[in-house]
Formats: sequence, C-alpha cells, structure tokens
Amino acid sequence: AQSVTQPDIHITVSEGASLELRCNYSYGATPYLFWYVQSPGQGLQLLLKYFSGDTLVQGIKGFEAEFKRSQSSFNLRKPSVHWSDAAEYFCAVARAAGNKLTFGGGTRVLVKP
Amino acid sequence: GAVVSQHPSWVICKSGTSVKIECRSLDFQATTMFWYRQFPKQSLMLMATSNEGSKATYEQGVEKDKFLINHASLTLSTLTVTSAHPEDSSFYICSARDRRGNTGELFFGEGSRLTVL
Repeated sequence: AQSVTQPDIHITVSEGASLELRCNYSYGATPYLFWYVQSPGQGLQLLLKYFSGDTLVQGIKGFEAEFKRSQSSFNLRKPSVHWSDAAEYFCAVARAAGNKLTFGGGTRVLVKP
Repeated sequence: GAVVSQHPSWVICKSGTSVKIECRSLDFQATTMFWYRQFPKQSLMLMATSNEGSKATYEQGVEKDKFLINHASLTLSTLTVTSAHPEDSSFYICSARDRRGNTGELFFGEGSRLTVL
C-alpha cells in the first residue's frame, strides 16, 4: 500500500524568504504525485503534479517540486513566499492518474511579516 | 476549469438525526467520486469511492451503514450520515474524476463542515 510522510508539521518562514516542504512516499511502482494547498475551512487546490517526464515540475503560484526517485521524495519549493502562502500543504500519491489519493499528514506554513 | 460544488457548506444537527451532503460536478461528468473526512488540524482520510450506478467501495474501518453513499448520476454523489453523533462532527470533502480522465487530476469540493450537538 502506498503511504506519504510529511516530516514537518509546522514551518514558520519570513515573508520574502524561500520555502521548502518535504514529502517522502512509499510505493512500489512509479507513483503519481501531487501537492495541494488548503486554506482554513476550504477545499483543496492543486498546486502541481508529477506523472512522468521532467522531474522538476512547475506549478501555480510560483511553486515547483522535484521528484527524486532515489530518495523517494517530492519536495515542494518556492523561492520567495508571500503572506498569502500561509496555509496547510498536503502531499499526496496515487497509483494511477485519477485514482484515489493517499495524503500525507500535512504541513502548516506560517508566514511572518 | 472543472468545478465541484458541495452543499451544504456547513450544517449543525441534533444527535440522532441524519444529514445528507451533496457533491456535484458542475461542468463535467464524473464516473468516480471520492469522499474524505478531515478532523481538525489533521490530514484527509479516504472514506469511500463512489462509482456511478454501482455500490460504493468503503475503506477499512468505515461503517457503510453509518455513512451511506449514493452516486445516482454522473454529476451527483451524496453522503448521508445516519443517526449522527457528536463524534461524527468533522469536515467532509469530496473529489471527482472527470470521466474523460485526460488530465489525471481529481477536483475537490469546498468541503462541508458537520457539527453534531
């Protein structure tokens, strides 16, 4: 069965600083990987996804993620965070495109002015 | 873009009553919808997979008689929490897969917050 681990429960970052959120997955085959963002009391918005091809994936809102098979990781990065990036971020994995998602525990990002 | 709408956004009910939550795909047809539950400050846990025209597939530990799922059309799935109790209070989120499936993406609703008194 697939699983996802997000080691950091909380991250506090200053506005304008860079951000990196870690995600490690466990799955026997080639995974389908996703990053979602959730604002309080809201649904989920897809930031980016990786199915195959270039291991560096560009997403919305200036986010990018890099798939590293050797490390079973799919870390999310943003060079310069904005106060509006404060939210909960979830990494997720699926066996195939459109299949059910298994989510990591989430990382809450706080942005200091 | 693909839009999934949930209704109601929030609901408060008395213990022992049943509550129905709707999940609609507004601009696409969804053969498959997924229902998740999210406790405060926690992750999303898959409850069940809803397939149009057939019985839902429940995850281990989810009571199918407690959480009734119906997917009667290609644009609507409903989750009914029967005889709700305070421990059923949670944030319920649905997601839907476009039947064309060409993006591989699941589209999420805004969530429905249930509070059982």
